[in-house]
Amino acid sequence: GENVEQHPSTLSVQEGDSAVIKCTYSDSASNYFPWYKQELGKRPQLIIDIRSNVGEKKDQRIAVTLNKTAKHFSLHITETQPEDSAVYFCAARRFGNEKLTFGTGTRLTIIP
Amino acid sequence: EAQVTQNPRYLITVTGKKLTVTCSQNMNHEYMSWYRQDPGLGLRQIYYSMNVEVTDKGDVPEGYKVSRKEKRNFPLILESPSPNQTSLYFCASSYQWGGPSVMEETQYFGPGTRLLVL
Repeated sequence: GENVEQHPSTLSVQEGDSAVIKCTYSDSASNYFPWYKQELGKRPQLIIDIRSNVGEKKDQRIAVTLNKTAKHFSLHITETQPEDSAVYFCAARRFGNEKLTFGTGTRLTIIP
Repeated sequence: EAQVTQNPRYLITVTGKKLTVTCSQNMNHEYMSWYRQDPGLGLRQIYYSMNVEVTDKGDVPEGYKVSRKEKRNFPLILESPSPNQTSLYFCASSYQWGGPSVMEETQYFGPGTRLLVL
């Protein structure tokens, strides 16, 4: 089955700086890679996703990149703000199949 | 208002006493899933459903059952709960649209159910 590894497990970034979270996956048939944000005590929220037919996707301050050859994908947050503090999860699955495997999460702390 | 609801939100029970956690969505989504969240392990998928009467195992299905008799409901059943099923459970529904090269997806999670099995 799929195995997703996520690094780092914790990340502290000065406000205004950029943050990068990296994930690797094992199943070469995976072709859908979502990212979730979970604030303390709240439910996860899908914030951005990427499919294997594109290498990069952006949404305002958030971007995700995908390297299919190396089987890794990354979340980039620019101009970080205090409200970006949360736990972020990556995940992978085969498109058309709802079986979803998550990374273990990254706790991002933005230092004012 | 588009939403996924779960009940109960909190539950304390004893080993072996059957329980059901309900999940309902009002968005007519085809896909629904159950996840459990444990410290250090992140989110793990228990079961998912791609439509009515279509369910399949996620990564950690042991000890759980599900059913999808109606599109809006996807209950999670613990026939004989054990302490290792103490966890935070999330239900989610999702919808995909577009073509093969430009597919979009939206997903909503329920508020979570915190379960303690003694």
